Amino acid sequence: GNSVTQMEGPVTLSEEAFLTINCTYTATGYPSLFWYVQYPGEGLQLLLKATKADDKGSNKGFEATYRKETTSFHLEKGSVQVSDSAVYFCALSDWPQAGTALIFGKGTTLSVSS
Amino acid sequence: EPEVTQTPSHQVTQMGQEVILRCVPISNHLYFYWYRQILGQKVEFLVSFYNNEISEKSEIFDDQFSVERPDGSNFTLKIRSTKLEDSAMYFCASSLDRDENTIYFGEGSWLTVV
Repeated sequence: GNSVTQMEGPVTLSEEAFLTINCTYTATGYPSLFWYVQYPGEGLQLLLKATKADDKGSNKGFEATYRKETTSFHLEKGSVQVSDSAVYFCALSDWPQAGTALIFGKGTTLSVSS
Repeated sequence: EPEVTQTPSHQVTQMGQEVILRCVPISNHLYFYWYRQILGQKVEFLVSFYNNEISEKSEIFDDQFSVERPDGSNFTLKIRSTKLEDSAMYFCASSLDRDENTIYFGEGSWLTVV
């Protein structure tokens, strides 16, 4: 079945460091891929998405490229800020093969210190 | 920006009691969802709802659970007789349509069963 695997956290970085959070997936069809972020005390917010191979999603300085050959969608940011501290979830949607439900990874906690 | 709103933000209930979690999806959206996240675990799909009926549900969504859209704006999740293992964060979500494929989440309702 479909699944998403994320790197274990927590990830602890200093401000302005480079961030990579790895995400790989298994899917039967051609899924859409997403990164959601959950700031402390808030709900899940869509950060970025990519709907086909080689697409790059980007938002707020974060980027992720849909790599079909490696079944990956790694999240990157060149220079993190304290305000980026949050839990990051990789997710996929395999409509129509697997319905509309999002399949989530376990989440990776990022903590950025000044 | 339109958002999904959920109430209550936190509820404590005794085992065996009925609980209703409420949600107001984004007004022009057509698909509605409930997800849950048990502490420390993945965000899991429960159910999706379209055109006043359940369109998909997961194995978690057993007879103890039900959903309803009682009027034009609210979307509710009812747990008939709560168990300790129902303690989780419950997220409501909505999307415009399946093809658009972007699901927007509320801030969640923390349910604690004691």
